[in-house]
Amino acid sequence: GENVGLHLPTLSVQEGDNSIINCAYSNSASDYFIWYKQESGKGPQFIIDIRSNMDKRQGQRVTVLLNKTVKHLSLQIAATQPGDSAVYFCAENKGEYGNKLVFGAGTILRVKS
Amino acid sequence: DTAVSQTPKYLVTQMGNDKSIKCEQNLGHDTMYWYKQDSKKFLKIMFSYNNKELIINETVPNRFSPKSPDKAHLNLHINSLELGDSAVYFCASSPPLFLRGYTFGSGTRLTVV
Repeated sequence: GENVGLHLPTLSVQEGDNSIINCAYSNSASDYFIWYKQESGKGPQFIIDIRSNMDKRQGQRVTVLLNKTVKHLSLQIAATQPGDSAVYFCAENKGEYGNKLVFGAGTILRVKS
Repeated sequence: DTAVSQTPKYLVTQMGNDKSIKCEQNLGHDTMYWYKQDSKKFLKIMFSYNNKELIINETVPNRFSPKSPDKAHLNLHINSLELGDSAVYFCASSPPLFLRGYTFGSGTRLTVV
């Protein structure tokens, strides 16, 4: 597939299991964080966001956890489905003059049926 | 009805040529962006415009020139194309207050031969 040979961190999970994707961010002053999903041949798509005044936010089948002490974000996907297979990016807002999202390196999620 | 549309989707051109990529958004957003995604899937911001005004200009060769004729359009012109310019270029837009981050287009895959 398109992601072969990319050498990104890869998480392989069985369909129906829960997935946890981790991300370390760099700037302790960042105040807004977003998880994006990118499917093959498409642009990144918003999944869930969280502001720095929160530790946890839940969406439909997804939960984002923010640990500001260690500058760590995680995305939890419940009951992972084949359609969840994609590259997942965390992004932090570092804008000084506006909004500038800085993206992490990406994690490939492969869901086995 | 596509929210952020880019044209062309694919662009193959020879070194030294000049090419443009067009982007239009129909979301009524004030801010638009260009991002470059390299072969390792790393996404890096290039430019940002707010209501036709340049607000972010990262360290990008001056062969790259963005133009925003109105707040719904942000085009990218590239002069004297080089092999290293080969990448996927994404346009994005964001609303005031930056709620839910960016909406991305589907990308333009540029291949310089």
